[in-house]
Amino acid sequence: ELKVEQNPLFLSMQEGKNYTIYCNYSTTSDRLYWYRQDPGKSLESLFVLLSNGAVKQEGRLMASLDTKARLSTLHITAAVHDLSATYFCAVDMIHQAGTALIFGKGTTLSVSS
Amino acid sequence: DVKVTQSSRYLVKRTGEKVFLECVQDMDHENMFWYRQDPGLGLRLIYFSYDVKMKEKGDIPEGYSVSREKKERFSLILESASTNQTSMYLCASSRTGPITDTQYFGPGTRLTVL
Repeated sequence: ELKVEQNPLFLSMQEGKNYTIYCNYSTTSDRLYWYRQDPGKSLESLFVLLSNGAVKQEGRLMASLDTKARLSTLHITAAVHDLSATYFCAVDMIHQAGTALIFGKGTTLSVSS
Repeated sequence: DVKVTQSSRYLVKRTGEKVFLECVQDMDHENMFWYRQDPGLGLRLIYFSYDVKMKEKGDIPEGYSVSREKKERFSLILESASTNQTSMYLCASSRTGPITDTQYFGPGTRLTVL
Protein backbone atom coordinates (compact mmCIF):
# COMPACT_ATOMS: atom_id res chain seq x y z
CA GLU A 1 0.00 0.00 0.00
CA LEU A 2 1.33 3.37 -0.99
CA LYS A 3 1.76 5.72 1.95
CA VAL A 4 2.60 9.40 1.91
CA GLU A 5 3.69 10.89 5.21
CA GLN A 6 4.24 14.54 5.95
CA ASN A 7 5.88 16.05 8.96
CA PRO A 8 5.31 18.06 10.85
CA LEU A 9 1.52 18.10 10.66
CA PHE A 10 1.35 21.45 12.44
CA LEU A 11 3.94 24.17 12.28
CA SER A 12 3.90 27.48 14.07
CA MET A 13 6.51 29.90 12.80
CA GLN A 14 7.60 33.42 13.46
CA GLU A 15 7.84 35.83 10.60
CA GLY A 16 11.33 35.96 9.14
CA LYS A 17 12.29 32.42 10.15
CA ASN A 18 13.16 29.49 7.89
CA TYR A 19 11.73 26.01 8.08
CA THR A 20 11.32 22.80 6.08
CA ILE A 21 8.34 20.50 5.59
CA TYR A 22 9.15 16.89 4.80
CA CYS A 23 7.24 14.46 2.61
CA ASN A 24 8.18 10.77 2.63
CA TYR A 25 6.53 8.19 0.41
CA SER A 26 6.68 4.43 0.34
CA THR A 27 6.90 3.47 -3.32
CA THR A 28 9.07 4.27 -6.30
CA SER A 29 7.78 7.35 -8.04
CA ASP A 30 9.44 9.98 -10.21
CA ARG A 31 6.70 12.54 -9.74
CA LEU A 32 5.64 14.52 -6.74
CA TYR A 33 3.20 17.39 -6.36
CA TRP A 34 2.81 20.15 -3.80
CA TYR A 35 -0.48 21.94 -3.20
CA ARG A 36 -1.59 24.78 -0.99
CA GLN A 37 -5.00 25.12 0.65
CA ASP A 38 -6.21 28.29 2.37
CA PRO A 39 -8.89 27.91 5.07
CA GLY A 40 -12.28 27.26 3.51
CA LYS A 41 -10.82 27.17 0.02
CA SER A 42 -9.86 24.49 -2.46
CA LEU A 43 -6.40 23.21 -3.38
CA GLU A 44 -4.07 25.21 -5.56
CA SER A 45 -1.14 23.63 -7.35
CA LEU A 46 2.27 24.94 -6.23
CA PHE A 47 4.89 22.66 -7.74
CA VAL A 48 5.18 19.60 -9.94
CA LEU A 49 8.50 17.76 -9.52
CA LEU A 50 9.09 15.35 -12.37
CA SER A 51 12.47 13.74 -11.79
CA ASN A 52 15.16 12.94 -9.26
CA GLY A 53 17.01 16.06 -8.20
CA ALA A 54 14.28 18.39 -9.43
CA VAL A 55 14.17 21.73 -7.65
CA LYS A 56 11.57 24.42 -8.14
CA GLN A 57 11.22 27.81 -6.49
CA GLU A 58 8.43 30.32 -6.28
CA GLY A 59 8.95 33.33 -4.05
CA ARG A 60 9.79 32.18 -0.53
CA LEU A 61 9.00 28.53 -1.25
CA MET A 62 11.41 25.99 -2.70
CA ALA A 63 10.60 22.34 -3.34
CA SER A 64 13.00 19.51 -4.08
CA LEU A 65 12.75 15.82 -4.87
CA ASP A 66 15.07 12.93 -4.04
CA THR A 67 13.53 9.82 -5.58
CA LYS A 68 16.23 7.51 -4.22
CA ALA A 69 15.44 8.56 -0.66
CA ARG A 70 11.71 8.81 -1.53
CA LEU A 71 11.71 12.25 0.01
CA SER A 72 10.56 15.69 -1.00
CA THR A 73 11.09 18.88 0.97
CA LEU A 74 9.29 22.20 0.92
CA HIS A 75 11.57 24.88 2.28
CA ILE A 76 10.20 28.16 3.53
CA THR A 77 12.56 31.13 3.60
CA ALA A 78 11.89 34.20 5.75
CA ALA A 79 8.27 33.31 6.42
CA VAL A 80 5.55 35.93 6.09
CA HIS A 81 1.96 35.82 7.33
CA ASP A 82 0.61 35.30 3.80
CA LEU A 83 2.19 31.85 3.76
CA SER A 84 -0.18 30.64 6.49
CA ALA A 85 -2.08 27.74 4.90
CA THR A 86 -2.16 23.96 4.74
CA TYR A 87 0.38 22.36 2.42
CA PHE A 88 -0.14 18.93 0.88
CA CYS A 89 2.26 16.71 -0.99
CA ALA A 90 0.98 13.99 -3.33
CA VAL A 91 2.49 11.11 -5.26
CA ASP A 92 1.37 9.29 -8.41
CA MET A 93 -0.28 5.95 -7.93
CA ILE A 94 -0.45 3.78 -11.03
CA HIS A 95 -3.76 2.04 -11.55
CA GLN A 96 -4.56 -0.40 -14.32
CA ALA A 97 -6.36 2.24 -16.34
CA GLY A 98 -4.26 5.26 -15.47
CA THR A 99 -2.78 7.35 -12.70
CA ALA A 100 -4.28 8.89 -9.58
CA LEU A 101 -2.73 10.85 -6.71
CA ILE A 102 -2.24 9.79 -3.12
CA PHE A 103 -2.05 12.71 -0.72
CA GLY A 104 -0.30 13.20 2.56
CA LYS A 105 -2.37 14.44 5.50
CA GLY A 106 -1.17 17.99 5.10
CA THR A 107 0.97 20.38 7.11
CA THR A 108 -0.87 23.33 8.62
CA LEU A 109 1.45 26.31 8.77
CA SER A 110 0.74 29.32 10.96
CA VAL A 111 3.03 32.33 10.65
CA SER A 112 2.83 34.99 13.31
CA SER A 113 4.69 38.22 13.93
CA ASP B 1 -7.51 29.36 -16.92
CA VAL B 2 -8.72 25.91 -16.06
CA LYS B 3 -12.05 26.03 -14.37
CA VAL B 4 -13.58 23.24 -12.31
CA THR B 5 -16.98 24.02 -10.86
CA GLN B 6 -19.10 22.13 -8.38
CA SER B 7 -22.85 22.44 -8.21
CA SER B 8 -23.12 23.46 -4.56
CA ARG B 9 -20.79 24.96 -1.99
CA TYR B 10 -22.91 23.84 0.96
CA LEU B 11 -25.48 21.07 1.14
CA VAL B 12 -27.57 19.72 4.00
CA LYS B 13 -29.33 16.38 3.57
CA ARG B 14 -31.11 13.88 5.75
CA THR B 15 -30.05 10.31 6.46
CA GLY B 16 -31.27 7.97 3.74
CA GLU B 17 -31.64 10.60 1.04
CA LYS B 18 -30.07 10.12 -2.37
CA VAL B 19 -27.52 12.87 -2.97
CA PHE B 20 -26.01 14.05 -6.24
CA LEU B 21 -22.83 16.11 -6.37
CA GLU B 22 -22.03 17.53 -9.78
CA CYS B 23 -18.65 18.57 -11.16
CA VAL B 24 -17.98 20.28 -14.48
CA GLN B 25 -14.63 21.20 -16.06
CA ASP B 26 -14.16 23.42 -19.08
CA MET B 27 -10.69 22.41 -20.29
CA ASP B 28 -11.49 19.20 -22.14
CA HIS B 29 -9.59 17.14 -19.57
CA GLU B 30 -9.77 13.38 -19.93
CA ASN B 31 -9.34 12.60 -16.23
CA MET B 32 -11.69 13.49 -13.41
CA PHE B 33 -11.55 12.63 -9.72
CA TRP B 34 -13.67 12.76 -6.56
CA TYR B 35 -12.06 13.10 -3.13
CA ARG B 36 -13.36 13.62 0.35
CA GLN B 37 -11.42 15.68 2.87
CA ASP B 38 -11.73 15.16 6.60
CA PRO B 39 -9.74 16.78 9.42
CA GLY B 40 -6.66 14.75 10.27
CA LEU B 41 -7.16 12.38 7.33
CA GLY B 42 -6.21 14.58 4.41
CA LEU B 43 -7.68 13.87 0.98
CA ARG B 44 -8.90 10.39 0.18
CA LEU B 45 -9.75 9.24 -3.33
CA ILE B 46 -13.30 7.96 -3.78
CA TYR B 47 -13.58 7.35 -7.53
CA PHE B 48 -11.92 8.53 -10.70
CA SER B 49 -12.56 8.36 -14.42
CA TYR B 50 -10.24 8.39 -17.44
CA ASP B 51 -12.84 8.57 -20.12
CA VAL B 52 -16.53 8.94 -20.74
CA LYS B 53 -18.54 6.09 -19.21
CA MET B 54 -15.40 4.79 -17.51
CA LYS B 55 -14.85 4.65 -13.76
CA GLU B 56 -12.32 3.24 -11.34
CA LYS B 57 -12.62 2.75 -7.58
CA GLY B 58 -10.32 4.72 -5.36
CA ASP B 59 -9.44 4.01 -1.75
CA ILE B 60 -12.90 4.54 -0.19
CA PRO B 61 -15.65 3.79 -2.76
CA GLU B 62 -18.09 2.14 -0.35
CA GLY B 63 -21.40 3.99 -0.16
CA TYR B 64 -20.69 5.99 -3.32
CA SER B 65 -21.19 5.62 -7.04
CA VAL B 66 -20.28 7.85 -9.98
CA SER B 67 -21.47 8.69 -13.44
CA ARG B 68 -19.64 10.15 -16.41
CA GLU B 69 -21.94 10.46 -19.39
CA LYS B 70 -20.14 13.46 -20.90
CA LYS B 71 -16.46 14.31 -20.92
CA GLU B 72 -16.87 17.56 -19.02
CA ARG B 73 -19.14 16.26 -16.25
CA PHE B 74 -18.46 13.82 -13.42
CA SER B 75 -21.15 13.13 -10.84
CA LEU B 76 -20.79 11.61 -7.39
CA ILE B 77 -23.85 9.83 -6.03
CA LEU B 78 -24.57 8.91 -2.44
CA GLU B 79 -27.24 6.25 -2.83
CA SER B 80 -28.44 6.49 0.77
CA ALA B 81 -26.69 9.24 2.70
CA SER B 82 -25.40 8.47 6.18
CA THR B 83 -24.02 10.74 8.89
CA ASN B 84 -20.50 9.38 8.38
CA GLN B 85 -20.58 10.84 4.89
CA THR B 86 -20.62 14.35 6.31
CA SER B 87 -17.47 15.81 4.78
CA MET B 88 -15.93 18.21 2.29
CA TYR B 89 -16.05 16.77 -1.23
CA LEU B 90 -13.53 17.94 -3.80
CA CYS B 91 -13.61 17.31 -7.51
CA ALA B 92 -10.50 17.55 -9.68
CA SER B 93 -9.53 17.14 -13.31
CA SER B 94 -6.32 16.67 -15.27
CA ARG B 95 -5.25 15.97 -18.81
CA THR B 96 -3.61 12.86 -20.19
CA GLY B 97 -0.44 13.35 -22.16
CA PRO B 98 3.28 12.74 -22.43
CA ILE B 99 3.98 15.28 -19.71
CA THR B 100 2.38 14.66 -16.35
CA ASP B 101 -0.01 17.43 -15.51
CA THR B 102 -1.16 18.52 -12.11
CA GLN B 103 -4.75 18.16 -11.00
CA TYR B 104 -7.01 21.20 -10.93
CA PHE B 105 -9.50 21.32 -8.09
CA GLY B 106 -12.98 22.70 -7.77
CA PRO B 107 -14.06 24.87 -4.83
CA GLY B 108 -15.49 21.94 -2.89
CA THR B 109 -18.92 21.00 -1.54
CA ARG B 110 -19.37 20.85 2.20
CA LEU B 111 -22.01 18.19 2.79
CA THR B 112 -23.77 17.76 6.11
CA VAL B 113 -25.94 14.68 6.63
CA LEU B 114 -28.34 14.97 9.56
